[in-house]
Amino acid sequence: DSGVTQTPKHLITATGQRVTLRCSPRSGDLSVYWYQQSLDQGLQFLIQYYNGEERAKGNILERFSAQQFPDLHSELNLSSLELGDSALYFCASSVQGSSNSPLHFGNGTRLTVT
Amino acid sequence: DQQVKQNSPSLSVQEGRISILNCDYTNSMFDYFLWYKKYPAEGPTFLISISSIKDKNEDGRFTVFLNKSAKHLSLHIVPSQPGDSAVYFCAAKLTMNYGGSQGNLIFGKGTKLSVKP
Repeated sequence: DSGVTQTPKHLITATGQRVTLRCSPRSGDLSVYWYQQSLDQGLQFLIQYYNGEERAKGNILERFSAQQFPDLHSELNLSSLELGDSALYFCASSVQGSSNSPLHFGNGTRLTVT
Repeated sequence: DQQVKQNSPSLSVQEGRISILNCDYTNSMFDYFLWYKKYPAEGPTFLISISSIKDKNEDGRFTVFLNKSAKHLSLHIVPSQPGDSAVYFCAAKLTMNYGGSQGNLIFGKGTKLSVKP
């Protein structure tokens, strides 16, 4: 158990809809990362927050947004969903924002857009 | 443009033998490399890492080798065990803030290792 909790585990929704994925980092970790894994793809970095502030942005679409709250949990919002957004979305956390401390991943949320 | 490549989607090895998983990268500025292991229905878990100032790092049955001139790293598992069967991801990062990059991990697509009893 990595200590990172992601909810829900599975999500099925229709095109055009909006969903929110939630992540609670490991106790003591200040940094939260979001990754997307599409079929047969590696994990694609989306965005990072550190202690409530956006720290880095990757290949995140404008339809997607995220935030980290004062209690350090994070939410990833996906809107105007398309079929191609179907993927596994992983949240990870680490103690610091840019150190070499390894990331600890949650078990992911599997999003299916129909 | 894939900066981290794992060209073998799968690898099958007999229990007790050596497993060698390979990874190539294109960005010579990467200075820290990691391997993650992923079981089905779970998130990736950190396995072993290596800094670019080293060419080898060992942790029990796992050894990572880095060849900077070839931009190549490999993970050796000796001896391989059935419980090692998983998908292995290679990842690289820039630890310095270079050109706006914040040093977040760039992952390969993974290699599925099957260790047969």
